[in-house]
Amino acid sequence: GAGVSQTPSNKVTEKGKYVELRCDPISGHTALYWYRQSLGQGPEFLIYFQGTGAADDSGLPNDRFFAVRPEGSVSTLKIQRTERGDSAVYLCASSLGGGTLYEQYFGPGTRLTVT
Amino acid sequence: AQSVTQLDSQVPVFEEAPVELRCNYSSSVSVYLFWYVQYPNQGLQLLLKYLSGSTLVKGINGFEAEFNKSQTSFHLRKPSVHISDTAEYFCAVSERGNEKLTFGTGTRLTIIP
Repeated sequence: GAGVSQTPSNKVTEKGKYVELRCDPISGHTALYWYRQSLGQGPEFLIYFQGTGAADDSGLPNDRFFAVRPEGSVSTLKIQRTERGDSAVYLCASSLGGGTLYEQYFGPGTRLTVT
Repeated sequence: AQSVTQLDSQVPVFEEAPVELRCNYSSSVSVYLFWYVQYPNQGLQLLLKYLSGSTLVKGINGFEAEFNKSQTSFHLRKPSVHISDTAEYFCAVSERGNEKLTFGTGTRLTIIP
């Protein structure tokens, strides 16, 4: 079946611009996660959704970052007033249920470059 | 807070030789432990996980890992590597009752023909 998909695969934007990154989870997966992977680092947790609600957003670095999942399926990560330090690969993962007892399936990521 | 340390950023190994990738974690509570693999130009894929029970965990592609609570380690091993094992390997930890994964910085495994 189809895995987690993320669009776009690459995004180049200028400093100060607004960007949206999209994640389509595996059908039927209720939990959705966003991670950020900077060069030479492991993925870093940003936010976790259970259904439509953000169950844990403790990893969002500041109020420029926001994510939504209005219908409990597709999620959008929004970044306002982008900075060069936001450049990274943004990963999305989904799982059948909440909690790490359920395997998280990762998408290929969106590579964001802020110039 | 939980943390993961992967001391080896790169590990070169000859084909058909054994390999061990080291992982140490820090947490004040009980944890779940994971190894993920990232092949070139692909997404992260779960290799194996320790939730409870036997401390020796077997995963896909002939990999296994052993949970050692006293040494707070979860090292990954394979008795004989292949060219296809060339990838980046990430160790991750999750505290029980907490849904988020904390990853190490990764170990790049390079297989020498």
